[in-house]
Amino acid sequence: EVVMTQSPATLSVSPGERATLSCRASQSVSVGLAWYQQKPGQAPRLLIFGASIRATGIPARFSGSGSGTDFTLTISSLQSEDFAVYYCQQYNKWITFGQGTRLDI
Amino acid sequence: QVQLQESGPRLVKPSQTLSLTCAVSGGSFTSIDYYWSWIRQPPGKGLEWLGYIYHSGTTHYNPSLKSRISISIDTSKNQFSLALGSVTATDTAVYYCARFRIDSYGYSDYWGQGILVTVSS
Repeated sequence: EVVMTQSPATLSVSPGERATLSCRASQSVSVGLAWYQQKPGQAPRLLIFGASIRATGIPARFSGSGSGTDFTLTISSLQSEDFAVYYCQQYNKWITFGQGTRLDI
Repeated sequence: QVQLQESGPRLVKPSQTLSLTCAVSGGSFTSIDYYWSWIRQPPGKGLEWLGYIYHSGTTHYNPSLKSRISISIDTSKNQFSLALGSVTATDTAVYYCARFRIDSYGYSDYWGQGILVTVSS
């Protein structure tokens, strides 16, 4: 099983600032890495797949990078609607998720 | 627009079987590009993949659940189902169905709204 570790667990940032979220895999997943955003009471929403490809309709302020074992989600200028929990997910035969990073104001 | 909708009992007794169905509308249910998956989220916790099924009926399950889980598909009704046996309170969670795209990357692009299932006597 590939274990995904996200850091930090909670990130406090002000609107307009830049947020950088990290995700590390216990073994290489190449670019089989996706990022999801989840708001309270809602299903997760796909943001990024293939480590760096924005999903349809996702604003350009969201960007992903990395390959192998280390990945980053960057939100360039935080808007109020971006405060949520973010999960990374790998696909390497099975699917595993990170434990999530809560982005707080 | 693809839509997924979970349905089933919201309260299950311990030791019984949790059964849910996901109805899919829009898109091609038998496309070679997708698996149909189940994911759950205990209250206040993270996401756990349970398993997925291909339109042919091929399944892959989370090894931690392999002895208790079964996923089936009915392509004539555009729906797939989850059965989780011998449930305990730790199986209390919001259960999501999702479409999982299988290509070089692997990701869930459409999700149901989720259904909270409580295991309690």
